[in-house]
Amino acid sequence: DVKVTQSSRYLVKRTGEKVFLECVQDMDHENMFWYRQDPGLGLRLIYFSYDVKMKEKGDIPEGYSVSREKKERFSLILESASTNQTSMYLCAHTTSGATPGNVQFFGPGTRLTVL
Amino acid sequence: AQSVSQHNHHVILSEAASLELGCNYSYGGTVNLFWYVQYPGQHLQLLLKYFSGDPLVKGIKGFEAEFIKSKFSFNLRKPSVQWSDTAEYFCAVIHNNAGNMLTFGGGTRLMVKP
Repeated sequence: DVKVTQSSRYLVKRTGEKVFLECVQDMDHENMFWYRQDPGLGLRLIYFSYDVKMKEKGDIPEGYSVSREKKERFSLILESASTNQTSMYLCAHTTSGATPGNVQFFGPGTRLTVL
Repeated sequence: AQSVSQHNHHVILSEAASLELGCNYSYGGTVNLFWYVQYPGQHLQLLLKYFSGDPLVKGIKGFEAEFIKSKFSFNLRKPSVQWSDTAEYFCAVIHNNAGNMLTFGGGTRLMVKP
């Protein structure tokens, strides 16, 4: 069974705080992704990584950074949280390298509220 | 840039009604298409996918989708919905120049009345 874990299901932070969201997968997959999910907007890609220490910007990278020091772990960082970053954050990974169309497996999500 | 449109944001049906959720995408090249489902309080799960071959794709739980290239569409269908189909449904597209980058539609919330 594929397993993706995210560090917290619910998180409440204050404006200006630094926030770390962590994602761990146990399938030895190269590609990992961070999305945010907002009502009516679907899922929007923030950043993705196709290997350790490699990262690429997605559609909405502003205000975020990422870290991939180990293959199984992909962290999303909000350097200075703002209220417009209140959202559901989803981590995902794919089954193999750069082949298009591989199925993405999603974690349970972290609902972040920034006050 | 690639975009995906789901025309119905909220759909309410009675049990046994037929379902069709629309999905249109903007990219004209080769694409891979997906429908994901998110049941209340659960992870996103893959419902079905189209890569090539027969444009009518069958997925889990009696769902199917038809890829119509000329219409840039990949509509999801089920002939008879159940209360347990209450969920949010997302259409997603990868075009072959984008590696594994999925573009999602805005989602459709389906409520099935018992």
